[in-house]
Amino acid sequence: AQSVAQPEDQVNVAEGNPLTVKCTYSVSGNPYLFWYVQYPNRGLQFLLKYITGDNLVKGSYGFEAEFNKSQTSFHLKKPSALVSDSALYFCAVRDSNYQLIWGAGTKLIIKP
Amino acid sequence: ETGVTQTPRHLVMGMTNKKSLKCEQHLGHNAMYWYKQSAKKPLELMFVYSLEERVENNSVPSRFSPECPNSSHLFLHLHTLQPEDSALYLCASSPQASGSMAYNEQFFGPGTRLTVL
Repeated sequence: AQSVAQPEDQVNVAEGNPLTVKCTYSVSGNPYLFWYVQYPNRGLQFLLKYITGDNLVKGSYGFEAEFNKSQTSFHLKKPSALVSDSALYFCAVRDSNYQLIWGAGTKLIIKP
Repeated sequence: ETGVTQTPRHLVMGMTNKKSLKCEQHLGHNAMYWYKQSAKKPLELMFVYSLEERVENNSVPSRFSPECPNSSHLFLHLHTLQPEDSALYLCASSPQASGSMAYNEQFFGPGTRLTVL
């Protein structure tokens, strides 16, 4: 079965520290992977995606994600967290019907 | 702004009411989507339209009825809803629903917060 797992409901990080939001996936064929962010009372905004090529993908707001085929993971990272990064983060993978399968989301809290 | 607008932003309705949610995209995309977002759950894909034709209907109850009159507008008609239908309903669009451009990202509207009493 095709699926996405975000094992942490919430991640707490101090401002200025590096952050990681975890995502693992299960999909048949080549994975197309996405990260989105949702700020309070807003819709989802695209951050970055992996289609093919370099395993390290850079996206908006200084975020990056590393594709690891052997571990079937696509963790979201940022070297230095900002309070404004506090939001809900969703990982998604495109399935064989071209539709997105979503994780349940991870709430990221950055403390000053 | 993402180029996708939704109205109303908030809606409270009784179980016997009929209401409609509206979505409009200004991006020239050919595909539009309705999602249901409940707290601490993955987004649930409800309907997909490609060039105004419905291409996906993920076993959604008939009390939800979509309409796509053209590639820029998408409606979700609601009738005799249940309290468990209370959620944030998100509309999204993308260049294509399938094929070689299907890995392009989706653009989301701000959502309609629906409360069913």
